[in-house]
Amino acid sequence: QVQLQESGPGLVKPSQTLSLTCTVSGGSISSGGYYWSWIRQPAGKGLEWIGRMYTSGSSNYNPSLNSRVTISLDTSRNQFSLKLTSVTAADTAVYYCAREDTTSYRKLDYWGQGTLVTVSS
Amino acid sequence: DIQMTQSPSSLSASVGDRVTITCRASQSINSYLNWYQQKPRKAPKLLIYAASSLQSGVPSRFSGSGSGTDFTLTISSLQPEDFATYYCQQTYSTPRTFGQGTKVEIK
Repeated sequence: QVQLQESGPGLVKPSQTLSLTCTVSGGSISSGGYYWSWIRQPAGKGLEWIGRMYTSGSSNYNPSLNSRVTISLDTSRNQFSLKLTSVTAADTAVYYCAREDTTSYRKLDYWGQGTLVTVSS
Repeated sequence: DIQMTQSPSSLSASVGDRVTITCRASQSINSYLNWYQQKPRKAPKLLIYAASSLQSGVPSRFSGSGSGTDFTLTISSLQPEDFATYYCQQTYSTPRTFGQGTKVEIK
């Protein structure tokens, strides 16, 4: 059973960089057919897709965040990470990591529990 | 970006009711449409993928249909554990986009 777990600071100051890590267990992030993704959800609002990375290093980002976002993989630790620069209060949200399975259509089939990140001084 | 529009935004229903939620894409997405259920303070859970395929372990009272731009999620007989918010998502292209959500509440 694949499991994902987010970790990182729960409080980030405005203009600083938000950094989160997702640790994957029960499966290898090096396995083909899967994209490793980040999604966020401001309190009381809907889901916003941030971006994803494949094991090859190929990535896609939401244009609304494109210039501020970087997703990377650490295959030695079976982790992937999110960096979001120049944060503002609008970046306050619960951040989820998830696996997009492209071996059987395309679906976000495993999700982390989510971690709340607050941007405040 | 492909815009996903769900209706209604919320609905009230009773246990045992048949519930239908619709999702419309701003352009054709073939059958690249997924449905998720989210309960408060929990991560979304995949219910339906490829418009009509039931994810493993999901009760058969959930079903999906549609292709192109118009899609439907149906709960055939609403159960107490089904009160939640439901989201559609297109995976036809990036950026992946979600509908705004439909909150199913107890009448």
